[in-house]
Amino acid sequence: QKEVEQDPGPLSVPEGAIVSLNCTYSNSAFQYFMWYRQYSRKGPELLMYTYSSGNKEDGRFTAQVDKSSKYISLFIRDSQPSDSATYLCAMTSYNNNDMRFGAGTRLTVKP
Amino acid sequence: DAGVTQSPTHLIKTRGQQVTLRCSPKSGHDTVSWYQQALGQGPQFIFQYYEEEERQRGNFPDRFSGHQFPNYSSELNVNALLLGDSALYLCASSLDIGGYGYTFGSGTRLTVV
Repeated sequence: QKEVEQDPGPLSVPEGAIVSLNCTYSNSAFQYFMWYRQYSRKGPELLMYTYSSGNKEDGRFTAQVDKSSKYISLFIRDSQPSDSATYLCAMTSYNNNDMRFGAGTRLTVKP
Repeated sequence: DAGVTQSPTHLIKTRGQQVTLRCSPKSGHDTVSWYQQALGQGPQFIFQYYEEEERQRGNFPDRFSGHQFPNYSSELNVNALLLGDSALYLCASSLDIGGYGYTFGSGTRLTVV
């Protein structure tokens, strides 16, 4: 079993849809959780960074962490074609610089 | 404000050769991490440099080595290249006290033939 599991998709939705992206993890020491967006031929771009369980909202993006279930989610409201990219979850434990990434979910938002 | 700059963007090498990749961190950042991203996979941590020292290392062999210079820029060296070393090599910079909000460069695509 991988330490971080992420459904690779691909996921295709119509413009304006709500998108739900998820990751599960097995290491209970993970405390810091990130979501990155990666466009083709580019490096990952940090979208959301959370520490505790609960929700964090930033514009159209909401990150959710459930440490009891070892489950994190990223919701995208009013999805746009420009949101088409690969979304990577990442996480690590306290004072640990070795971030563990999921394999990424490829999202396409169709006009 | 320039972000993280990596060079070269693409590179083709032969098995057994050595390669050096370069990274200039985002202005104001003092910490550099290197990641390897195979096709269709998430990035894997190679090592992190802070104050010109390797602070932490991932599960990579000694063929992978690095350096950080006084201006915070960094190099990744890979010796005795294998076909399996073909990947996108990403540099990420951060501020040591800034937590895990890394800024990534666009990467160097290395192909080993």
